[in-house]
Amino acid sequence: NAGVTQTPKFQVLKTGQSMTLQCAQDMNHEYMSWYRQDPGMGLRLIHYSVGAGITDQGEVPNGYNVSRSTTEDFPLRLLSAAPSQTSVYFCASSGQGSTDTQYFGPGTRLTVL
Amino acid sequence: QKEVEQDPGPLSVPEGAIVSLNCTYSNSAFQYFMWYRQYSRKGPELLMYTYSSGNKEDGRFTAQVDKSSKYISLFIRDSQPSDSATYLCAYSSASKIIFGSGTRLSIRP
Repeated sequence: NAGVTQTPKFQVLKTGQSMTLQCAQDMNHEYMSWYRQDPGMGLRLIHYSVGAGITDQGEVPNGYNVSRSTTEDFPLRLLSAAPSQTSVYFCASSGQGSTDTQYFGPGTRLTVL
Repeated sequence: QKEVEQDPGPLSVPEGAIVSLNCTYSNSAFQYFMWYRQYSRKGPELLMYTYSSGNKEDGRFTAQVDKSSKYISLFIRDSQPSDSATYLCAYSSASKIIFGSGTRLSIRP
């Protein structure tokens, strides 16, 4: 099993550009989530999904969209990138939601100029 | 008040020392308590998981939970250079999981 995979590993954007961060898991997990990690701020939840077709907002959802058309994939879209979105983004999945072990991907380092 | 407070460090100790990492939380609804370890430029991985007050041991690692004081600790015995990482505490209820900001730990050979 590959676990949780994320692409790209690195990305540089200009302010106002849009892009999609990809996340996929092959563990048949229902629960998937996106976090951003900033120095001194820990991991903050952006959006999460409890199953295909169901998504909800986390702690810091503004400026981001998600969709969940399949169990395996959970892409994160930046609508109009801003320098404040410079961060490391992690995707995670778990079998039974927030009380279960979270399996994290390797992360995407995003810089917005 | 933040829901989870964790000293960011950095913490540097010599090899073989006992390490103590701590977190406090404010939300009594949290039922599950976890410690994640994150190596540089990697995603976090689960280290310890518990849901009750008291101690839980796993090899050189001991997780301690005190629900009455809303306090959790992670002890590392006989610390090794390979333990150098950032350690994040995490708490969850049925609806959400909250991570601490992480403590950066360095073990000097």
